[in-house]
Amino acid sequence: GQQLNQSPQSMFIQEGEDVSMNCTSSSIFNTWLWYKQEPGEGPVLLIALYKAGELTSNGRLTAQFGITRKDSFLNISASIPSDVGIYFCAGQAAGTASKLTFGTGTRLQVTL
Amino acid sequence: GAVVSQHPSRVICKSGTSVKIECRSLDFQATTMFWYRQFPKQSLMLMATSNEGSKATYEQGVEKDKFLINHASLTLSTLTVTSAHPEDSSFYICSARGGVSYNSPLHFGNGTRLTVT
Repeated sequence: GQQLNQSPQSMFIQEGEDVSMNCTSSSIFNTWLWYKQEPGEGPVLLIALYKAGELTSNGRLTAQFGITRKDSFLNISASIPSDVGIYFCAGQAAGTASKLTFGTGTRLQVTL
Repeated sequence: GAVVSQHPSRVICKSGTSVKIECRSLDFQATTMFWYRQFPKQSLMLMATSNEGSKATYEQGVEKDKFLINHASLTLSTLTVTSAHPEDSSFYICSARGGVSYNSPLHFGNGTRLTVT
């Protein structure tokens, strides 16, 4: 099945640093979602974006829905150890009955 | 918030046997649920869309006779892996829309780790 290109694939950062990751697609999406997954668990929704250009925050997390509707960005400010995990973007296209296409994931490691 | 419960969280079975995985929406009704599969260090791949009261819709390449889906009520969908083989070992995750709106985001269960020996 189709996957979205997500980068970087992995990141090793120090506690307190800011993090940026992005997701790109060759096709347009009407909804962009960002999830975090920890080992052995299902993905947990972080932020949902519904409108091109939309910028939404959830605590230290900020995500943007790209103007072209083909990309999205997630930023984490002042990272802490519990931010460790795999972050997935997911896109939903019009007329797909809530079917999500997932990104390839960004594995985040935070060192003290 | 919307909660999706999945059971069991882990199962080990012998090759050739069948395994049933349950997915329940705990505080909302879900006419549609989705089943994903995730191999180690990979992303989630949609297997099928489970529709309450009707047949499931399978993604290309997913064998419907091998992965039986039943969505008999508005809060329960089941995935049965029939005649399991070691290559079916994977992390299976269900999801459901947490609201009536088409735009309501999907919430995921905690997954089921299937190991076929």
